[in-house]
Amino acid sequence: DVKVTQSSRYLVKRTGEKVFLECVQDMDHENMFWYRQDPGLGLRLIYFSYDVKMKEKGDIPEGYSVSREKKERFSLILESASTNQTSMYLCASSPVSGGRGFYEQYFGPGTRLTVT
Amino acid sequence: GNSVTQMEGPVTLSEEAFLTINCTYTATGYPSLFWYVQYPGEGLQLLLKATKADDKGSNKGFEATYRKETTSFHLEKGSVQVSDSAVYFCALSESGNTPLVFGKGTRLSVIA
Repeated sequence: DVKVTQSSRYLVKRTGEKVFLECVQDMDHENMFWYRQDPGLGLRLIYFSYDVKMKEKGDIPEGYSVSREKKERFSLILESASTNQTSMYLCASSPVSGGRGFYEQYFGPGTRLTVT
Repeated sequence: GNSVTQMEGPVTLSEEAFLTINCTYTATGYPSLFWYVQYPGEGLQLLLKATKADDKGSNKGFEATYRKETTSFHLEKGSVQVSDSAVYFCALSESGNTPLVFGKGTRLSVIA
């Protein structure tokens, strides 16, 4: 079974702290993604990565950065946490898909981050 | 740009009722279409998919048909169970390696 793990299920941080959210996948997938999920807004893509040391901005990258030093690990960094970053954060991975082949993403269980 | 619109919830049904969750999309090309499900306390998991027009995806009693003429991919189930209570997301992928575009999700509650 594909497994995507996230370092914490629940996290409470203070405003201004630097926060690291870690994601690890065990299926040698090339692609990895970070989303945030908020009520009424669904999933919004923060950043994604097609390969080691590569990153692409998603729809809402402001206030976030990412790191992918190894293929299996994709980290989301909140440089200076703010209360509006309180949210559920979901990591996902997927293999490279050729042509129009379907493109399944595998999700981790999520990290619920509260910034006070 | 590409987008997905799905019916707003929450949807509350009695056990054994018929379920429809509407999903329509806007895309510049010919996307692949997906339904993902999120059970309480868990991440999303793929429920079913369709990669071309008139394809029907099915899984666990759920079905959805890719309708190019109406740009729709409605999710249906003939008889829901309490265990189907979850949030359902419709999504599309324009081509193999572009990120998925998700709808906002529809929360389904099934009561016994």
